[in-house]
Amino acid sequence: EVQLLESGGDLVQPGGSLRLSCAASGFIFSSYAMTWVRQAPGKGLEWVSGISDTGASTYYSDSVKGRFTISRDNSKNTLYLQMNSLRAADTAVYYCAKGVAFDVWGQGTMVIVSS
Amino acid sequence: DIQMTQSPSTLSASVGDRVTITCRASQSISDWLAWYQQKPGKAPKLLIYKASRLESGVPSRFSGSGSGTEFTLTISSLQPDDFATYYCQQYNSYLVSFGGGTKVEIK
Repeated sequence: EVQLLESGGDLVQPGGSLRLSCAASGFIFSSYAMTWVRQAPGKGLEWVSGISDTGASTYYSDSVKGRFTISRDNSKNTLYLQMNSLRAADTAVYYCAKGVAFDVWGQGTMVIVSS
Repeated sequence: DIQMTQSPSTLSASVGDRVTITCRASQSISDWLAWYQQKPGKAPKLLIYKASRLESGVPSRFSGSGSGTEFTLTISSLQPDDFATYYCQQYNSYLVSFGGGTKVEIK
């Protein structure tokens, strides 16, 4: 079964850091671009960051550029999102998704930024 | 960056109705457009990719059309399971973007 499983969400203070992970199974992880998408409470979907299949190319939305870093370990079938200098506006459910038209999504992990 | 504008933001309809949702891109995206369905507390589900291609397992009452800057998602006969929020997404650019969403409510 094709599956993505996020972890690492937590309550963190403004200015703090967090690393999210997304474990992939059931498909050849190293053959696909991967993406992080977030959804603030009661709001729509917001693309956060994407990474190519090899990890050589990375892309970020203006709202997270310079603060978040996407990476992947194809030997571990795992996608990461390192989040630094967190703000209240980063509070959201974070989803990882496969491909460029996202045919597989994880269940999401909640990040709350609050003092 | 490419902006995606969906309309309407909310739609009230009855079971059996034909429903159409529109998505406009701020510049041409060819046919690099996807549609998703999301229900409360759940991850989005891919319905349509490359503007008109039906994802495997998605009922044939869903269809997509358009190219360039204007796209539509049509549900030919609305079913109880279809009440949800729908999003368009462009992937013409590496800087992906979503529309604001259309909530389909029971009339």
